[in-house]
Amino acid sequence: AQSVAQPEDQVNVAEGNPLTVKCTYSVSGNPYLFWYVQYPNRGLQFLLKYITGDNLVKGSYGFEAEFNKSQTSFHLKKPSALVSDSALYFCAVRDGGATNKLIFGTGTLLAVQP
Amino acid sequence: KAGVTQTPRYLIKTRGQQVTLSCSPISGHRSVSWYQQTPGQGLQFLFEYFSETQRNKGNFPGRFSGRQFSNSRSEMNVSTLELGDSALYLCASSLTGAVGPYEQYFGPGTRLTVT
Repeated sequence: AQSVAQPEDQVNVAEGNPLTVKCTYSVSGNPYLFWYVQYPNRGLQFLLKYITGDNLVKGSYGFEAEFNKSQTSFHLKKPSALVSDSALYFCAVRDGGATNKLIFGTGTLLAVQP
Repeated sequence: KAGVTQTPRYLIKTRGQQVTLSCSPISGHRSVSWYQQTPGQGLQFLFEYFSETQRNKGNFPGRFSGRQFSNSRSEMNVSTLELGDSALYLCASSLTGAVGPYEQYFGPGTRLTVT
């Protein structure tokens, strides 16, 4: 069965510093991985996805993610954090078969201090 | 292009009642999925519809049901509401096709409170 894990409930970073939000995955077959962000009282916004190809995926709002097959990880990164990046971040993997069903991690709350 | 819309945004119901939530996908998206978000269980998949057919179903009791119309709009229904059904219900739409997988785009959600 497909699954993702987000080992950190919260990540704290100072504005201007690089940030990393961690995600590891377990899949049978090809991993199709996604990152979403959720602001308070809002739905989820798509940031980026990995299907195949380059291990460094670039997404919206300056975010990127590094796919590492040997470590089964898909960490979200940003070179310089903004206070406005403070939100809840979800890693997700697409389930197997002909479906768009996503299996989400538990989420990581990112807090960027000014 | 307009995003995914969900109505109503907020709903308060009493235990035992039933509720219907509505979702309009992005134009051209034929796949619609529903998720339940709670602080305790996180984001859980309810079901997915494609071309008016349920393509996938999560592990929820039969009180949770849904349907999709020919214009791809979708509704979900919860009968005999329980306190534990209080949650944010999110609808997401997506393209489908041989060149994928495609990302899902989420609506703002319907906040259901059961008292």
